[in-house]
Amino acid sequence: LAKTTQPISMDSYEGQEVNITCSHNNIATNDYITWYQQFPSQGPRFIIQGYKTKVTNEVASLFIPADRKSSTLSLPRVSLSDTAVYYCLVGDPEGGFKTIFGAGTRLFVKA
Amino acid sequence: GAVVSQHPSRVICKSGTSVKIECRSLDFQATTMFWYRQFPKQSLMLMATSNEGSKATYEQGVEKDKFLINHASLTLSTLTVTSAHPEDSSFYICSARGPKRSGNTIYFGEGSWLTVV
Repeated sequence: LAKTTQPISMDSYEGQEVNITCSHNNIATNDYITWYQQFPSQGPRFIIQGYKTKVTNEVASLFIPADRKSSTLSLPRVSLSDTAVYYCLVGDPEGGFKTIFGAGTRLFVKA
Repeated sequence: GAVVSQHPSRVICKSGTSVKIECRSLDFQATTMFWYRQFPKQSLMLMATSNEGSKATYEQGVEKDKFLINHASLTLSTLTVTSAHPEDSSFYICSARGPKRSGNTIYFGEGSWLTVV
């Protein structure tokens, strides 16, 4: 299982773009990168998943360099409600993908 | 995306009793589900992998006789905390691997707060 490393915490202001980077140096060929958001007393919520280059959906973008040893979750124009813990997970969706969580990044958005 | 539901969302039980938490995949079949526990301000800790029709696989340090997992159907897995003690009080979360149409993404339930008094 690829181990992930993320910053423990980040602060931002409303309306700013936030980029959270995750390192996964030993990512395997078949592994995908998935990001989740968790609010207190709730289960993690799927944000975005990708394999390489760039993926964009209605809430975020995911940038993955060619070597795939890291990935960056980009949240455009954050609001106070984006204050949460963000986790990146790496695994093979077809091959079992046992979900081992790292510490995550605690994002605090200020007014 | 796919929906995973847990029940109950909160439960209080007396020390020494057992309590069951259900995890259901509402709009897809899940051959594999996962159970976690989470203490305040900490990350999720994987407890076990639940496979439909077979025994669960427990992570190191998790007592399989205390945390009984049953995955009797493709849409339901249950976690039973037996002879609960106050130290078992925690937030328990399940997840399921979604269908191929979702890219086999892992989806999580809402979580269940267990308080043992």
